[in-house]
Amino acid sequence: GQNIDQPTEMTATEGAIVQINCTYQTSGFNGLFWYQQHAGEAPTFLSYNVLDGLEEKGRFSSFLSRSKGYSYLLLKELQMKDSASYLCAVLDSNYQLIWGAGTKLIIKP
Amino acid sequence: ETGVTQTPRHLVMGMTNKKSLKCEQHLGHNAMYWYKQSAKKPLELMFVYNFKEQTENNSVPSRFSPECPNSSHLFLHLHTLQPEDSALYLCASSQDRGGSYEQYFGPGTRLTVT
Repeated sequence: GQNIDQPTEMTATEGAIVQINCTYQTSGFNGLFWYQQHAGEAPTFLSYNVLDGLEEKGRFSSFLSRSKGYSYLLLKELQMKDSASYLCAVLDSNYQLIWGAGTKLIIKP
Repeated sequence: ETGVTQTPRHLVMGMTNKKSLKCEQHLGHNAMYWYKQSAKKPLELMFVYNFKEQTENNSVPSRFSPECPNSSHLFLHLHTLQPEDSALYLCASSQDRGGSYEQYFGPGTRLTVT
């Protein structure tokens, strides 16, 4: 079967750095997405990786290792507004998105 | 505001009721999706439409019936639902089905079945 694993919940301090991991086992791979979802709101797109390596976008970076079936989302200089759920999703060989259950990130002052 | 709107935002319905959820996208996209989101579970893809044609139905019970009259509008008709159908129903759109196109989500309809 297809599976996406990410931690259920993480806590970090304002101003710090946090890394949210995602491991996947899917039938084929055509890219990995990260989405952010604030409580009661729609998920919004953060990043897309299809090649190995690190992609940086401001305070957020996303890393992919296809050989290890692994990705992480790195958030720097954490702000209170970063408190949200972070969803990892993999595009499989049929171009269907397989979603993880999401990681709830709690930022403390 | 992502360009995808959903109505109503909240809905409470009895098991014998019939109701419909509406989604509209103003992005000129060709693909539209219905998802079910339950607490602490992955997003469940329900239906996919591409150029108004249904391309996927992920073993969804017949008490959920989608309708896509045009590329901008998507409906989910509900009848004789069960309490376990209570969830957040999200609509999304993307430029096309498949590929690396990001999906744009609406705010969702919070459905409670009593």
